[in-house]
Amino acid sequence: GAGVSQSPSNKVTEKGKDVELRCDPISGHTALYWYRQSLGQGLEFLIYFQGNSAPDKSGLPSDRFSAERTGGSVSTLTIQRTQQEDSAVYLCASSPGTSGAWETQYFGPGTRLLVL
Amino acid sequence: AQSVAQPEDQVNVAEGNPLTVKCTYSVSGNPYLFWYVQYPNRGLQFLLKYITGDNLVKGSYGFEAEFNKSQTSFHLKKPSALVSDSALYFCAVPRGGYSTLTFGKGTMLLVSP
Repeated sequence: GAGVSQSPSNKVTEKGKDVELRCDPISGHTALYWYRQSLGQGLEFLIYFQGNSAPDKSGLPSDRFSAERTGGSVSTLTIQRTQQEDSAVYLCASSPGTSGAWETQYFGPGTRLLVL
Repeated sequence: AQSVAQPEDQVNVAEGNPLTVKCTYSVSGNPYLFWYVQYPNRGLQFLLKYITGDNLVKGSYGFEAEFNKSQTSFHLKKPSALVSDSALYFCAVPRGGYSTLTFGKGTMLLVSP
């Protein structure tokens, strides 16, 4: 079946602009995660959605970052007033949401963001 | 805090030889441990995980990992490396009781022909 998809695959923007990154999880998966992969910081958690519960935003690096998940499916990660240090690969993952901490997460191909 | 460490930035091995990619963990309670692989310009792919039970876990593409509680390790192994195994490998552990993952810094595996 279809895996996790992300769009765009690449995004180049100018410093100060806003960007939106999209994630389509695997159908039926109630858990959705955003991670960021950068040279300096490695792979780091950003935000986690589980069903209708309030999202875990503890990984968001600043208030310029926000995310929403509409209808329990598609998610959008928004970065306002982008900075050069936001340049990274943004990875989305989903999981069934039924087994807790030992669930396997399935990752999308990522969005490569470059802020000039 | 739950954490994992990958002590090697890079591992080099010749095709056909056995390979080991190291991971040590620091967790409270029973550990759940994961290995993921990232091929160039691709997302992460799940390889295997340890939840409980047998210390030797078998996963995708012929990989296996050995859970060692006394050494707090979860090393990834393969008996015979392929050039196509060349990729970036991540060890990971759930944060606290949540399913969000904390990753190691990654180990680049290079398999030479």
